[in-house]
Amino acid sequence: DAKTTQPPSMDCAEGRAANLPCNHSTISGNEYVYWYRQIHSQGPQYIIHGLKNNETNEMASLIITEDRKSSTLILPHATLRDTAVYYCIVRVDYNFNKFYFGSGTKLNVKP
Amino acid sequence: EAQVTQNPRYLITVTGKKLTVTCSQNMNHEYMSWYRQDPGLGLRQIYYSMNVEATDKGDVPEGYKVSRKEKRNFPLILESPSPNQTSLYFCASSDPAGGSTDTQYFGPGTRLTVL
Repeated sequence: DAKTTQPPSMDCAEGRAANLPCNHSTISGNEYVYWYRQIHSQGPQYIIHGLKNNETNEMASLIITEDRKSSTLILPHATLRDTAVYYCIVRVDYNFNKFYFGSGTKLNVKP
Repeated sequence: EAQVTQNPRYLITVTGKKLTVTCSQNMNHEYMSWYRQDPGLGLRQIYYSMNVEATDKGDVPEGYKVSRKEKRNFPLILESPSPNQTSLYFCASSDPAGGSTDTQYFGPGTRLTVL
């Protein structure tokens, strides 16, 4: 599975959009981009995933560049409860049990 | 409610005393995994199971055993715990059915301290 690069930390003002970048320049054509987050020491929580097209769900939006070498997770209106470590993962879909979480981005949402 | 449960949530033990951390899921998922999380090292996979009686090593399997005799349960066994196994442990389950929806559901974690 391809390696990902994320900034170690980011700040965001409450109520503003949080844009979390992820670089995955070695991504293969059959690898999906997944985002999870971990609030404090709780179990990681699935947020969203995509292959080529941009995706949106009730939690967030995922923007994948046309060349698929990078992506951005967007939390449209960040709240204090969104403070967490966000992990970007790329993986081949059928390889269900090889999940490499990396270091992630610590998002600090500030009042 | 769909969930993954782990027990115990907190455990302090001594070196060499065998212990088992239980994991159970109520979603009829085929796949289950164990991870450990350590400061600066992130989440690392210990073992995973594709189905009943089918398990395989992850990235850090040394010192651990698992079994999958029932679909819902995937216990993690430390036969002779050592202090370097002090960590936060997570169990997860997922279902490969449905194409690309590889959503892993994680348990609440078990904080283990080995003295």
